[in-house]
Amino acid sequence: SQELEQSPQSLIVQEGKNLTINCTSSKTLYGLYWYKQKYGEGLIFLMMLQKGGEEKSHEKITAKLDEKKQQSSLHITASQPSHAGIYLCGAIQGGSEKLVFGKGTKLTVNP
Amino acid sequence: EAGVVQSPRYKIIEKKQPVAFWCNPISGHNTLYWYRQNLGQGPELLIRYENEEAVDDSQLPKDRFSAERLKGVDSTLKIQPAELGDSAVYLCASTADGGAGGYEQYFGPGTRLTVT
Repeated sequence: SQELEQSPQSLIVQEGKNLTINCTSSKTLYGLYWYKQKYGEGLIFLMMLQKGGEEKSHEKITAKLDEKKQQSSLHITASQPSHAGIYLCGAIQGGSEKLVFGKGTKLTVNP
Repeated sequence: EAGVVQSPRYKIIEKKQPVAFWCNPISGHNTLYWYRQNLGQGPELLIRYENEEAVDDSQLPKDRFSAERLKGVDSTLKIQPAELGDSAVYLCASTADGGAGGYEQYFGPGTRLTVT
């Protein structure tokens, strides 16, 4: 089965700093989703990437899917306290349409 | 547009007791998912419905878990009897597509279950 490894597991940054979160798959990615979760809440959809080399941006968050389609990165520019939360990557498991998730990266942004 | 609604938000029960969770998906979404999220982990799929039909329940522990979606709208997930290891957040999600491919899943706030 497909496994997603996220790094780092946790990250503490000062407000205004840039940061990157990585998601590496054990198999080729056919669809990669990024979600954000705050404690006690459900997952909020951020972006979906499907093509190798694809890059999408929303406000100060940019996600990329590498050419070989086994890794994605999420980059936040000029982080703010509102960016704090747990970032989860999810991928479609080939042949089953099942979405599997990584364990998440906990982001803390200190003002 | 209302999002995915789940209730209750929190539930504390003693082991061996039954418990049920309710989910109302976004209007018009024919696909509904139940996930379990353990502390420090990502969500894991328990069951997926397309309309009334459970199309993937391979991860559902059928000895104690059951689910239904009678009219293809609301869904209920039940555990009977609950065990200590069932303590987790149970998330419901829905999508308009007939599967995960190409469409984002919208998640509810979850039900946090504590089994004592």
